Amino acid sequence: KNEVEQSPQNLTAQEGEFITINCSYSVGISALHWLQQHPGGGIVSLFMLSSGKKKHGRLIATINIQEKHSSLHITASHPRDSAVYICAVGSLMDSNYQLIWGAGTKLIIKP
Amino acid sequence: DAGVIQSPRHEVTEMGQEVTLRCKPISGHNSLFWYRQTMMRGLELLIYFNNNVPIDDSGMPEDRFSAKMPNASFSTLKIQPSEPRDSAVYFCASRTGTGSYEQYFGPGTRLTVT
Repeated sequence: KNEVEQSPQNLTAQEGEFITINCSYSVGISALHWLQQHPGGGIVSLFMLSSGKKKHGRLIATINIQEKHSSLHITASHPRDSAVYICAVGSLMDSNYQLIWGAGTKLIIKP
Repeated sequence: DAGVIQSPRHEVTEMGQEVTLRCKPISGHNSLFWYRQTMMRGLELLIYFNNNVPIDDSGMPEDRFSAKMPNASFSTLKIQPSEPRDSAVYFCASRTGTGSYEQYFGPGTRLTVT
């Protein structure tokens, strides 16, 4: 079993829909990271959080440490949100602060 | 700041040739990471450096791969000899130090070995 599991693997939705991408992990963590990779290939950091909730524009990230679960929400989705969204966690056991990566969720928003 | 800079952005080479990928981290960042991304295996950590010293190279697939960081502003990943299965996108990322998880990624180098 992977230490970081994302769901769904693929998601196709219509423009305007509310999107939820989930990330579950099995290790104790210091921080969780959400990143976005566009079809062109570049990887961009969206959020880093260790508790509660963060919001940036139409993106919202939440984390529940007790349940070892995080969600990334996109409100009023738009075709330009089409990308792969990757969850990565920093393990408490790793003093070098390496990240453990999820496999990514491929999101397609249709106009 | 220009961010993490990688070159070349695209590389096409024939099997058996030497390939060198280059990375310039963000100024002031102390850690540098090399990743490989393929459809089959996703994002894999190859090696990372702290203060120019290689800390963990357990992800380097085999002896054909080598990485160096001669100074704080430059790193190379070399494949010699290259094979078709090395075709992938190679990312370099940097971060401020060992007390931080947040990594900043370069645009990647798309390598095709024919």
